[in-house]
Amino acid sequence: GAVVSQHPSWVICKSGTSVKIECRSLDFQATTMFWYRQFPKQSLMLMATSNEGSKATYEQGVEKDKFLINHASLTLSTLTVTSAHPEDSSFYICSTTTLAAGGTYEQYFGPGTRLTVT
Amino acid sequence: GQNIDQPTEMTATEGAIVQINCTYQTSGFNGLFWYQQHAGEAPTFLSYNVLDGLEEKGRFSSFLSRSKGYSYLLLKELQMKDSASYLCAVKTAQNQGGKLIFGQGTELSVKP
Repeated sequence: GAVVSQHPSWVICKSGTSVKIECRSLDFQATTMFWYRQFPKQSLMLMATSNEGSKATYEQGVEKDKFLINHASLTLSTLTVTSAHPEDSSFYICSTTTLAAGGTYEQYFGPGTRLTVT
Repeated sequence: GQNIDQPTEMTATEGAIVQINCTYQTSGFNGLFWYQQHAGEAPTFLSYNVLDGLEEKGRFSSFLSRSKGYSYLLLKELQMKDSASYLCAVKTAQNQGGKLIFGQGTELSVKP
């Protein structure tokens, strides 16, 4: 399957600071990437859809000014958590779609970034 | 609205067979995915169904009935390493931008 990487894999930051998370597609071009958030013992919740060269589409209830998404190239999307607070502590996972055999689009996930805000 | 239901947790014995059910009601449908997720890790792809019927892949099989809004994941010859959370997800649109809506996940515990 497709390979997606994330950096960093975990980060601890102080309340009020900003954190940038990178998501890269390693062996293919990704025009669309998705950002998910997962709290402990809960499922993945889609935050936003990132489109290369255009503005991201945010899900209802997700603050676009707090979670800045940039998809400047076909292999890189970044999520910046601005003015982080302890309630932003979560597991952030990106994914991308790729065209599989049979003409269907499949989603592959990055390894995730665990953010802890103190 | 979007609604995907799975049992919260299940327990099974090593070597046995377990079936994890998923029912869905979504605004669009273009396929159903099953993912496995171990604690602290990202989900890994298990199966994809877009047409009715059974898809078999080794010890794992997945079934879909679109008319009933129902799917199940069947795990055979359970191993201890199969203890994980299993996520059912529906893709709501056909194009590359089609979003995945996830169920809450089923935590499977495999006992010796």
